[in-house]
Amino acid sequence: SQQGEEDPQALSIQEGENATMNCSYKTSINNLQWYRQNSGRGLVHLILIRSNEREKHSGRLRVTLDTSKKSSSLLITASRAADTASYFCATDGSGNAGGTSYGKLTFGQGTILTVHP
Amino acid sequence: EPEVTQTPSHQVTQMGQEVILRCVPISNHLYFYWYRQILGQKVEFLVSFYNNEISEKSEIFDDQFSVERPDGSNFTLKIRSTKLEDSAMYFCASSEGHFYNSPLHFGNGTRLTVT
Repeated sequence: SQQGEEDPQALSIQEGENATMNCSYKTSINNLQWYRQNSGRGLVHLILIRSNEREKHSGRLRVTLDTSKKSSSLLITASRAADTASYFCATDGSGNAGGTSYGKLTFGQGTILTVHP
Repeated sequence: EPEVTQTPSHQVTQMGQEVILRCVPISNHLYFYWYRQILGQKVEFLVSFYNNEISEKSEIFDDQFSVERPDGSNFTLKIRSTKLEDSAMYFCASSEGHFYNSPLHFGNGTRLTVT
């Protein structure tokens, strides 16, 4: 099954606007993480939210998690041109309750965010 | 801020050749990982490594792949006989603790081109 599918696939906004990206997954998780990737670069960790948490903030970032709907959202407020990047959610591969994973994060296809100055 | 470093940034090799991709994880991290990203596709898990042994590997990580931590600082990925489909960006990552609670820190990747 596919884990960590983001939508929209691409998002284009003006500087100062908010950007919201969504992620859906199919199996049980221990945590969900959001990463950012600038073109041709490595992934940079943004936020980790545990399955027993509903919301988390970090600066201009706000992440929500709804385990009943198996979905998460990433909100970037007051966007800047420097926020232009691809954003990925990633889930641990614990699968069903009782499963164990040792490092397999499953990434989605990502949302390409373009912020126009 | 400490970071994961990978060398080389770009490696071109001929099909059938062996390649070794090198990584220096963050010094106090205990868990190490390799992921890859084929152009235009998702980032895929290859292998995780802890306490000098493989913790988990994906179906991609077949007998052609191996990992090693030869000393206290380097973490390498070897592909014994490269295929065209091995062309991808390979990312090394490390985490301080188990990834359930610790974020992964990624390097900038090595772009492997197999011709």
